[in-house]
Order: sequence, then structure tokens, then C-alpha cells
Amino acid sequence: AQSVTQLDSHVSVSEGTPVLLRCNYSSSYSPSLFWYVQHPNKGLQLLLKYTSAATLVKGINGFEAEFKKSETSFHLTKPSAHMSDAAEYFCVVTANYGGATNKLIFGTGTLLAVQP
Amino acid sequence: DAMVIQNPRYQVTQFGKPVTLSCSQTLNHNVMYWYQQKSSQAPKLLFHYYDKDFNNEADTPDNFQSRRPNTSFCFLDIRSPGLGDAAMYLCATSNHYPREGYTFGSGTRLTVV
Repeated sequence: AQSVTQLDSHVSVSEGTPVLLRCNYSSSYSPSLFWYVQHPNKGLQLLLKYTSAATLVKGINGFEAEFKKSETSFHLTKPSAHMSDAAEYFCVVTANYGGATNKLIFGTGTLLAVQP
Repeated sequence: DAMVIQNPRYQVTQFGKPVTLSCSQTLNHNVMYWYQQKSSQAPKLLFHYYDKDFNNEADTPDNFQSRRPNTSFCFLDIRSPGLGDAAMYLCATSNHYPREGYTFGSGTRLTVV
């Protein structure tokens, strides 16, 4: 079975400072991992994905995440926060096994606030 | 650009009055999903179509139905909306096994009055 835990429900940073959003996963199979961002009243936008290639994944808008199997983590980082980064972020896992359609398992989300 | 389009963006319906939400895609993905997302919560999968095969989640109320007349379109029907059905409804698509992730539409915000 797959699950994902986002360790912080709210994170507040100042503009220009680093962002760290934490995510731990559990998976019986080799996982695919994703980070999605959702701005208020908008749909979900894919930030980046890990699908068993390079463990350091670069995404859009300067975000990146590192897959650490030994720590079962997939934390999202950005060197310098921008006001436009304020949004809800979801860590998502799915399993890499064949057969029936694999479902996405969502974390509970982290609300990122960026202070001027 | 290939995309997933949801109409309308905002929908207001009366308590108990049937409502239909629409989703279309130009990606030619064979799987289409409907999610319900209530305020400050993660999206919850209601059901999905794998080609023409309908797959309902065990805890999806009977009040929610779906239709997929062709590859491009999928509809969510709420037969008798209650106040508790007010939420953002998200449509998503994927190509076979979603190792590459899903593509989401912008969502429809449903208000029940």
C-alpha cells in the first residue's frame, strides 16, 4: 500500500528566503512521486516528478526535490521564495506496478505563506 | 496547447436540483478522473474511466454519476445536490498507467444554495 505524509500543514517564509516543504512516503513498490501546486480557486499544476531516473529532480519556477530512498523522503525546496509562490502544495505518490490503473495518493497539503 | 478544460469555472445550483459539470481534453488520454476537493483538504477520487470502463470508488455516494460519451468528454452528474456537496470538482486525465502524473483541469467551484 502507498501513503504520503506531509509533515507541515502550514509554512511561512519571508520573500527571498529558502523554502522547504517536507514529504515522507511509504510504498510497497518502486514509487513515482510528484509535487503539485494549487493556487486559490485554481486546479492542480504539476511542479515536478520523480519516476526512477535521477534522484534530484528540477521542476518549474525554480523548485526542486530530492528522492532519498533511505529516508523515504521527497522534500521540495526552492532557494529563494517569491510572493507568487504562496499557494497550497501537495505531495503525491503512485506505485510503479503494471496492471490496473494506478491511483494517485495525495498528502494532506502544505499551505505556503510568503511574507514581504 | 493540449489541455484539460472544465466548464463552467463556477456553478451555483439549488439544493436538490440536478447539476452537470463538464470536462473535455485534447490530450487523447485514455483515462479520465473526477475528484472532489473540499476546503483545505486534499482531492478525493470519486471515480474514473479507463477507456469506456467505469470505475467507482467504494465510498462515492450514489448521488454522483458520470458519463463518458467519447474519448474527449466526461461529465459529472450530481442528481440531488446537498449542502455538503459544495466543493471544487477537479477533472484529470492520464495516459494508461499514470507514472508520468495526471493533467488536471482548472476545476469547477460548485456552490449549493
